Amino acid sequence: LAKTTQPISMDSYEGQEVNITCSHNNIATNDYITWYQQFPSQGPRFIIQGYKTKVTNEVASLFIPADRKSSTLSLPRVSLSDTAVYYCLVGDIQGRRALTFGSGTRLQVQP
Amino acid sequence: EPEVTQTPSHQVTQMGQEVILRCVPISNHLYFYWYRQILGQKVEFLVSFYNNEISEKSEIFDDQFSVERPDGSNFTLKIRSTKLEDSAMYFCASRGQGASYNEQFFGPGTRLTVL
Repeated sequence: LAKTTQPISMDSYEGQEVNITCSHNNIATNDYITWYQQFPSQGPRFIIQGYKTKVTNEVASLFIPADRKSSTLSLPRVSLSDTAVYYCLVGDIQGRRALTFGSGTRLQVQP
Repeated sequence: EPEVTQTPSHQVTQMGQEVILRCVPISNHLYFYWYRQILGQKVEFLVSFYNNEISEKSEIFDDQFSVERPDGSNFTLKIRSTKLEDSAMYFCASRGQGASYNEQFFGPGTRLTVL
């Protein structure tokens, strides 16, 4: 499994765009990049997944450069309810493998 | 929207006692998982289950742990003789057939406190 590195914490204010970058230098050809969100005392929740270029859904956008050695989760116009831990996971999507969570990025949104 | 449910939400037990944590995965899902998270630490994988057998397990999942799918809806995690260090949030997750393994749906968790 590719090792991931992301900032331990980030602060933002309501209404701002937040970009969280994850480094995964050893990403393999078959690996996809997935982001999860976890609120305090709740289970992780899938946000978005991509392989290359850009993916957008109703919650976030995921930017992946051509070399795929990093990725950026973009949260548009955050609100207080976006305060959570965000995890970047990298792995092959085939099969029944378990998820491997790192320490994640703790995002604190202030009013 | 379908969701994974877990009971109880909080379980307090004495060291050495057996506990059973219960999960009801999303109804048409076929892959089931248990994870745990010690307070302030990472989410750790325990075990995965498919077609009525364990697919994969971590080093944490030793002989004190077992899983079962006793009927068509429940998925249970049993800890035979709890230790203080078993205190954690335990999350059940499920995945549908055809979905990528990355897209697992997690339950709200059971907070286990071992005294």
